[in-house]
Amino acid sequence: DTEVTQTPKHLVMGMTNKKSLKCEQHMGHRAMYWYKQKAKKPPELMFVYSYEKLSINESVPSRFSPECPNSSLLNLHLHALQPEDSALYLCASSREGTGNTIYFGEGSWLTVV
Amino acid sequence: SQQGEEDPQALSIQEGENATMNCSYKTSINNLQWYRQNSGRGLVHLILIRSNEREKHSGRLRVTLDTSKKSSSLLITASRAADTASYFCATPPGLSSGSARQLTFGSGTQLTVLP
Repeated sequence: DTEVTQTPKHLVMGMTNKKSLKCEQHMGHRAMYWYKQKAKKPPELMFVYSYEKLSINESVPSRFSPECPNSSLLNLHLHALQPEDSALYLCASSREGTGNTIYFGEGSWLTVV
Repeated sequence: SQQGEEDPQALSIQEGENATMNCSYKTSINNLQWYRQNSGRGLVHLILIRSNEREKHSGRLRVTLDTSKKSSSLLITASRAADTASYFCATPPGLSSGSARQLTFGSGTQLTVLP
């Protein structure tokens, strides 16, 4: 069982909607991540937060807006998405530093209609 | 960008057989990790092998790492139907990168174990 909890598990939204994906971990990890995964493809990194500060943005469009309210929570705010943004969005966390295991949540399935 | 390439892309075997998946990567690394993903689920960490290790075991899993060839293999022995999943290798950015936290995943191998 994963110790990274993501909600909702499934989300259907229109292109004009504003919604948010939420992620929570209580392992004391100070690095948190958002990955995007399309069907039959590997996960692709979107954002990395380190000590609640955004440290990496992999050139993600501004219609995706991450937020880290505290060391346990990570949100991904969605606005004006396109159908091609439909994918599995995975949250993950790890201890800071190199060579640490990254723990993934079960993901949020997003469908943009 | 994708760091690792895996082969085969798909592998189908009978229960009880061994399954071997290979991963090649491009830059120097300090560790390589293998993850498993059941269909439509999150990724589960299987094993991490450091650059100064050549082989590592965990239960029915055996991982090898050849840094001179920039390749790794994952062997699952005595496979079970429950092993059916996608398997990904993952590496941190190159050693010259300022940040080594995030992982880049290989293309993955879809393993099907037939009962």
